[in-house]
Amino acid sequence: DAGVIQSPRHEVTEMGQEVTLRCKPISGHNSLFWYRQTMMRGLELLIYFNNNVPIDDSGMPEDRFSAKMPNASFSTLKIQPSEPRDSAVYFCASRPGTDNYGYTFGSGTRLTVV
Amino acid sequence: SQQGEEDPQALSIQEGENATMNCSYKTSINNLQWYRQNSGRGLVHLILIRSNEREKHSGRLRVTLDTSKKSSSLLITASRAADTASYFCATGGGSEKLVFGKGTKLTVNP
Repeated sequence: DAGVIQSPRHEVTEMGQEVTLRCKPISGHNSLFWYRQTMMRGLELLIYFNNNVPIDDSGMPEDRFSAKMPNASFSTLKIQPSEPRDSAVYFCASRPGTDNYGYTFGSGTRLTVV
Repeated sequence: SQQGEEDPQALSIQEGENATMNCSYKTSINNLQWYRQNSGRGLVHLILIRSNEREKHSGRLRVTLDTSKKSSSLLITASRAADTASYFCATGGGSEKLVFGKGTKLTVNP
């Protein structure tokens, strides 16, 4: 198994541009999570899906952020328009359906907004 | 908030020594998990301990959980330079989402 696959690994964009981050979870995992990591705030949960349905998006900072999971093997996190304060490492993680399993994280996307 | 808080924030030891990291949390939990993050990489799941368990082992790792004190500890025995990483605890309260602490940065000096 290739694990959770995120793309791109690095993204540098100008303020105001649209950014799309992509994630392919492990096959058979029913839950998918998007986290953001910064030095100041640590790991923050942005949104998570169960069986492709968004369950909790209370961590999404504002309307500029949106996430979709059109099928069990693909999810996107979009920021439009991007701002310098969005610079962070964004992680996607997946897990089998029940609560008593650990998460498998992707390698992350390092986003820099200039 | 269920957020765990790790202590200490940073720990520096010599190879071969044991490393102990602690985690405290505030509300009831279903399970507590420990993760490792090497610099520039994603988090790696180390061990999960359920709320009805008190101790769990995995190789050189030993995790304890005291639900009455709302605390957990991670012990790494006979540490190696390759154990240098940040270690995070995360609590799961049944709502399926994990809330992570800020982590302990462990440095193992050769």
